[in-house]
Amino acid sequence: EPEVTQTPSHQVTQMGQEVILRCVPISNHLYFYWYRQILGQKVEFLVSFYNNEISEKSEIFDDQFSVERPDGSNFTLKIRSTKLEDSAMYFCASSAGTSGRGTDTQYFGPGTRLTVL
Amino acid sequence: GESVGLHLPTLSVQEGDNSIINCAYSNSASDYFIWYKQESGKGPQFIIDIRSNMDKRQGQRVTVLLNKTVKHLSLQIAATQPGDSAVYFCAEKRPGNTPLVFGKGTRLSVIA
Repeated sequence: EPEVTQTPSHQVTQMGQEVILRCVPISNHLYFYWYRQILGQKVEFLVSFYNNEISEKSEIFDDQFSVERPDGSNFTLKIRSTKLEDSAMYFCASSAGTSGRGTDTQYFGPGTRLTVL
Repeated sequence: GESVGLHLPTLSVQEGDNSIINCAYSNSASDYFIWYKQESGKGPQFIIDIRSNMDKRQGQRVTVLLNKTVKHLSLQIAATQPGDSAVYFCAEKRPGNTPLVFGKGTRLSVIA
């Protein structure tokens, strides 16, 4: 069964450093998402991406964040200058986007645990 | 702000019993609702979904009930098994390809 994959599984970085989190969405999906989950808290939406541009973003997704689809398979989240409060699990998700009603299931990857020291 | 919340943060059930996990949502514009299961160290896993034009939907051992009048969603798990132990999140969604809004989660512990 196709699945969303993410690398690395765990990333440790120093405050102020840049990190890039990588995702490979399910191959025929058209919509891509990043969510984050701070330890013990609920999953929060960051950004959605369609047709090579951001379609929606949350308040969390400020100028320190960016997303890119550098090729036909990868979808990346970059944090330019990490802060301690960026420590969280980051989940990538994708959906087919073909239902026309927005009811396509979003499939989540296993996540990348980001630890900012 | 609008939010999705859960009534019970933890739920312990005996193996073989039925489990009911509840969720309240506040965005009346939401038309699609999903239950996800999250095991430790893993990403959310889709369990079952329901559209706002339905009241009930059944899957394998799971049933989702939607009460739009009181903005309430529930997940029923029949004959709960140890493998069902996880955190369960409800999520709501506005029309279109919009993001999911997750609730805080309920931890289900199955006692063997």
